[in-house]
Amino acid sequence: GAGVSQTPSNKVTEKGKYVELRCDPISGHTALYWYRQSLGQGPEFLIYFQGTGAADDSGLPNDRFFAVRPEGSVSTLKIQRTERGDSAVYLCASSSGAGGVADTQYFGPGTRLTVL
Amino acid sequence: GQQVMQIPQYQHVQEGEDFTTYCNSSTTLSNIQWYKQRPGGHPVFLIQLVKSGEVKKQKRLTFQFGEAKKNSSLHITATQTTDVGTYFCAGRNYGGSQGNLIFGKGTKLSVKP
Repeated sequence: GAGVSQTPSNKVTEKGKYVELRCDPISGHTALYWYRQSLGQGPEFLIYFQGTGAADDSGLPNDRFFAVRPEGSVSTLKIQRTERGDSAVYLCASSSGAGGVADTQYFGPGTRLTVL
Repeated sequence: GQQVMQIPQYQHVQEGEDFTTYCNSSTTLSNIQWYKQRPGGHPVFLIQLVKSGEVKKQKRLTFQFGEAKKNSSLHITATQTTDVGTYFCAGRNYGGSQGNLIFGKGTKLSVKP
């Protein structure tokens, strides 16, 4: 595709429910990143995939958060037992993976999650 | 943990005035990146600085990386209304993973025509 796409664009859920957020990276990009952005804050790193494997999941806040990328393309961020504090915009980014730390990350439009 | 501080939090300027935002890290960085986020939009990559003391220019934008690789700045000359948005710096530690960018809180720029 032309850019990183994320679905849904908005998700409203009730406290305690389970949600899945999807990210479709730029075609051919091997690296994929999830961030969370709260109002008035910068993006906060959650997890980074290189291919199918999570290369760094040190940003996941607790075990309610989990992400997968089974075929090395689309990724799903899964949040169990949602809490009001999980409300934020969840951003996905992808990069070619070829340049290592010099890789440019291209961000998607984000999914705005609201937990009531 | 590592922190990246950015000041000011907000900046209001008259069109044509200059603007500068500053970024400071509590630790030495391997590189620093700058992003722009328009209202309602997502972060868009502007530039990456890697070398100590590096200066890069993009038209009216000048980016600097400090000699100690712990601070950086973005300067915009003669602001235009199209410059409106929030500017974020994002640093990466030595030995940090490719993905683990630490973002500052951003500087929100408004430009009065």
